[in-house]
Amino acid sequence: QSVLTQPTSVSGAPGQSVTIFCTGSSSNLGTYDAHWYQQLPGTIPQLLIHTDDKRPSGVPDRFSGSKSGISAALVITGLQAEDEADYYCQSYDSSLRATVFGGGTKLTVL
Amino acid sequence: EVQLLESGGGLIQPGGSLRLSCAASGFTFSIHAMSWVRQAPGKGLEWVSGISASGGDTYYADSVRGRFISSRDNSQNTLYLQMSSLTVEDTAIYYCAKKYRGIIPAAGPFDFRGQGTLVTVSS
Repeated sequence: QSVLTQPTSVSGAPGQSVTIFCTGSSSNLGTYDAHWYQQLPGTIPQLLIHTDDKRPSGVPDRFSGSKSGISAALVITGLQAEDEADYYCQSYDSSLRATVFGGGTKLTVL
Repeated sequence: EVQLLESGGGLIQPGGSLRLSCAASGFTFSIHAMSWVRQAPGKGLEWVSGISASGGDTYYADSVRGRFISSRDNSQNTLYLQMSSLTVEDTAIYYCAKKYRGIIPAAGPFDFRGQGTLVTVSS
């Protein structure tokens, strides 16, 4: 059971938008930044969104992040087949004094 | 270009020990905190350990505390993870990751660059 809770899977048709939510608690997302990673099949994780809503250089603006209270969200607009991947949220937890990840969400582009 | 090259994985029997290495290049290694993150086959990401830029502070997940030790040699731009009392639950790909930004050494966000090294614990 992950400290951060994500849906196991989401899906959407090409061109549509999907939102992946990540829910934590006051000791993690309620206090610390949310970060998101994309892991394409058979590849290593890549930082997608950091510090709640910042995109590293090279990440398309179709990907956006937000956070409110103990929940964070990753929004992907204009879905493309190449967006099929696992997405992980991550934060820091002051009670555990450790980095925590969500369990991951598998995005299927229909 | 930032490069991280993990090595040292392999097949090890339960109860055994293994030392992983991560050779870093393309950035000033000595000023960045580093972490180890693992991924069991078909499973999600799990943070294992973090170490401050100087190496003076180390941090561990509860699942490995007391069994794993992180260290670094800034003169050699290399990160290490000494693993002992290994169990089948430690079977995973182990990634080293550079801290992308921020103050807390054990926190993300992380920059993954290497392919990881596979540790298989099995009798």
